[in-house]
Amino acid sequence: GNSVTQMEGPVTLSEEAFLTINCTYTATGYPSLFWYVQYPGEGLQLLLKATKADDKGSNKGFEATYRKETTSFHLEKGSVQVSDSAVYFCALSDSAGNNRKLIWGLGTSLAVNP
Amino acid sequence: NAGVTQTPKFQVLKTGQSMTLQCAQDMNHEYMSWYRQDPGMGLRLIHYSVGAGITDQGEVPNGYNVSRSTTEDFPLRLLSAAPSQTSVYFCASRGTAHSGEQYFGPGTRLTVT
Repeated sequence: GNSVTQMEGPVTLSEEAFLTINCTYTATGYPSLFWYVQYPGEGLQLLLKATKADDKGSNKGFEATYRKETTSFHLEKGSVQVSDSAVYFCALSDSAGNNRKLIWGLGTSLAVNP
Repeated sequence: NAGVTQTPKFQVLKTGQSMTLQCAQDMNHEYMSWYRQDPGMGLRLIHYSVGAGITDQGEVPNGYNVSRSTTEDFPLRLLSAAPSQTSVYFCASRGTAHSGEQYFGPGTRLTVT
């Protein structure tokens, strides 16, 4: 079945460092891919998405490119800030059937130190 | 715009007690769902609804009931609380069952002693 695998955390970086959080997926068909972010004490919110191969999603300085050949959707940011400290979830939306199910990765915790 | 709201934010129950977690959305979304979030387990789907009057089970439905009498509300009932149900519960909604983007409530932190 469909699945999402993300790198384990926690990830600890200094402010202005480069961030990569790896996400790979297994899916049949053509899923949409998402990154959600969860700030401390809050619910998840959509960070960015890509709906087809080679699409690049971007928001708040974060980017991720839908790579079908490597079944990946890695999250990157060129210069992280303390305010980026959060848990990041990769997810895919199953395109099959009448009810799209979201398949979630386990989340990667990011801590950015000043 | 309130989005998805959940009450209460925190709750402590004794084993065997019952309670209802409330969830409401004001975006006229068809699809609503309940998740639980546990350390190292990610998000697990408990129940979901594709519209008023229609509900279905997710991955971990045992010990929980839901109903969907209106488009706006989707309460989650714990029938007889157990320590294994200690978790953070999130309600979420999206426009339709075919939409990918989901909107989450702020969560309810439940402790069962």
